[in-house]
Amino acid sequence: RKEVEQDPGPFNVPEGATVAFNCTYSNSASQSFFWYRQDCRKEPKLLMSVYSSGNEDGRFTAQLNRASQYISLLIRDSKLSDSATYLCVVKSGQNFVFGPGTRLSVLP
Amino acid sequence: DAGVTQSPTHLIKTRGQQVTLRCSPISGHKSVSWYQQVLGQGPQFIFQYYEKEERGRGNFPDRFSARQFPNYSSELNVNALLLGDSALYLCASSLVPGPQGDVGYTFGSGTRLTVV
Repeated sequence: RKEVEQDPGPFNVPEGATVAFNCTYSNSASQSFFWYRQDCRKEPKLLMSVYSSGNEDGRFTAQLNRASQYISLLIRDSKLSDSATYLCVVKSGQNFVFGPGTRLSVLP
Repeated sequence: DAGVTQSPTHLIKTRGQQVTLRCSPISGHKSVSWYQQVLGQGPQFIFQYYEKEERGRGNFPDRFSARQFPNYSSELNVNALLLGDSALYLCASSLVPGPQGDVGYTFGSGTRLTVV
């Protein structure tokens, strides 16, 4: 089993839709959690950290369930510019472990 | 302030050749980590260096090696290139080993290596 798993995707949604991404991790000792966004042929960029109490940044909401070892990202009112691959990232020890990513295409 | 800079941006090599990739960390950062991202997959950890010493190594063959210089810049070397080494190679820097707090890692724009 991979250490970090994500919905396989791709997700094709119309503008304005709400979309949710799911992620699970296997190492219960994992310390920190993040969502990164990666545009085609570019480097990953931090979208948001994920806190135990859940957190929101504009149209983006992240949730963490440590008991279930589950992380989610909700995007409301999708924009064309949200089209990208979303990477679930877990800090284990002194390194990042990345999920395979879920590609989102927001369609006009 | 310059972010993490990597060179070259693109590279084409032939199977069996050797390649050296370079990374300059954010000013003041003493740790550099290298990741390999094959198309369609998430980045995979290769190496972490701190104060010129190797602090971590991922599950990569001995053909992969790295070093860090006194100015904290780093080189990743890959010998005897295989077609499967074709990937985006990413470098991240941090003040101390590992992604930091809420900030995580800032990555360089990467070196895209194509092995033919």
